[in-house]
Amino acid sequence: EVQLVDSGGNLVQPGGSLRLSCAASGLSFSNSAMSWVRQAPGKGLEWVSAISGSGVDTYYADSVEGRFTISRDNSRSTLHLQMNNLRAEDTAIYYCAKRFHDNGGAFDVWGQGTLVTVSS
Amino acid sequence: ERVMTQSPATLSVSPGERATLSCWASQSVKNNLAWFQQKPGQAPRLLIYDVSTRATGIPARFSGSGSGTGFTLTISSLQSEDFAVYYCQQYNNWPLTFGGGTKVEIK
Repeated sequence: EVQLVDSGGNLVQPGGSLRLSCAASGLSFSNSAMSWVRQAPGKGLEWVSAISGSGVDTYYADSVEGRFTISRDNSRSTLHLQMNNLRAEDTAIYYCAKRFHDNGGAFDVWGQGTLVTVSS
Repeated sequence: ERVMTQSPATLSVSPGERATLSCWASQSVKNNLAWFQQKPGQAPRLLIYDVSTRATGIPARFSGSGSGTGFTLTISSLQSEDFAVYYCQQYNNWPLTFGGGTKVEIK
């Protein structure tokens, strides 16, 4: 069974940092393009960042460019999101999601989400 | 950026009735369009990808159609477990974008 398990969410002060992780199992991780998608309380879904299977190609939403860094460790089948200079508007549930293909496709598998709260 | 617009925001439907949800893209996304279902406290679940292909395990009462800029998700006969929020999403261009969602509620 393909499974993604998100972790690392916490309460953090504005300006602080946090590192999220997503542990994958049951799939060929290095051949899977991955993304982070977030959902603010009571709001819709917002794509945050993406990374190719090899880790060479990365993409960011304008709202997080320069503050967040996506990375992966294919030897450990783990995806990360380093979040710096956090703002109140970054408060959300963060989901990792796998795309069908390394070169694109829909999000076919999602993690359970991890809650990030930015507040003083 | 491809802006995705969903309508209506809320759809009130009786069990057993048909539900039709719309999604519009500000520019063509070709056939790179997916639909997701989300229930309270749960992660989104993929229903439809490539406009009209049902994901594994999705019942036949869910169908997708459309092309280019206009898309539709149809639920032919609503079951109790179908009351949820539905999102469309394009994966043709960066940034990947979602619609604002349609909440399907019990009438």
